[in-house]
Amino acid sequence: GQSLEQPSEVTAVEGAIVQINCTYQTSGFYGLSWYQQHDGGAPTFLSYNALDGLEETGRFSSFLSRSDSYGYLLLQELQMKDSASYFCAVRDHNTDKLIFGTGTRLQVFP
Amino acid sequence: NAGVTQTPKFQVLKTGQSMTLQCAQDMNHNSMYWYRQDPGMGLRLIYYSASEGTTDKGEVPNGYNVSRLNKREFSLRLESAAPSQTSVYFCASGGQGDEQYFGPGTRLTVT
Repeated sequence: GQSLEQPSEVTAVEGAIVQINCTYQTSGFYGLSWYQQHDGGAPTFLSYNALDGLEETGRFSSFLSRSDSYGYLLLQELQMKDSASYFCAVRDHNTDKLIFGTGTRLQVFP
Repeated sequence: NAGVTQTPKFQVLKTGQSMTLQCAQDMNHNSMYWYRQDPGMGLRLIYYSASEGTTDKGEVPNGYNVSRLNKREFSLRLESAAPSQTSVYFCASGGQGDEQYFGPGTRLTVT
């Protein structure tokens, strides 16, 4: 089966940098995805890493280490609007379905 | 281009009542999904449809049924609602790789 672990909550101030970690256990691995969800909203896709290394998209970057079964989402120049929950996800090798972590709630303070 | 739409947005049911949640996508995706989200539990897959005419159980299918009416539409039915089914329900459709597009959600309360 698959399992993912991420911290339940992270706090930071505007302008800071924050890293949200995700460790996973899988019987097979395709890649690691990240989704953002604001309170009362729907999840939206942020990034996908299939290979080791850092992928950068504006202020957000995502990193993957397949050998360590570990990834992280890096948010730079934090803004108040970045306050949201962030979910990592992996695809189950046997069922081909996406499995989500329980989410990390990020609170950005002024 | 509306993406993924869901109806209704809110619903209150009494225990034992039935209802159908509707979902439609206009992105020509083959895959569609129904998730439920409870506080602290993340997103859990209820049912999944890889293509028109096929459906498959997810992690928490008990108490639910689905219909993939055509490529655009995927409905979720609660035959006899229970308080444990109080949750937020999201429909999603699958794009390239692991990218999924979510609808706005249905907030269901069962009393």
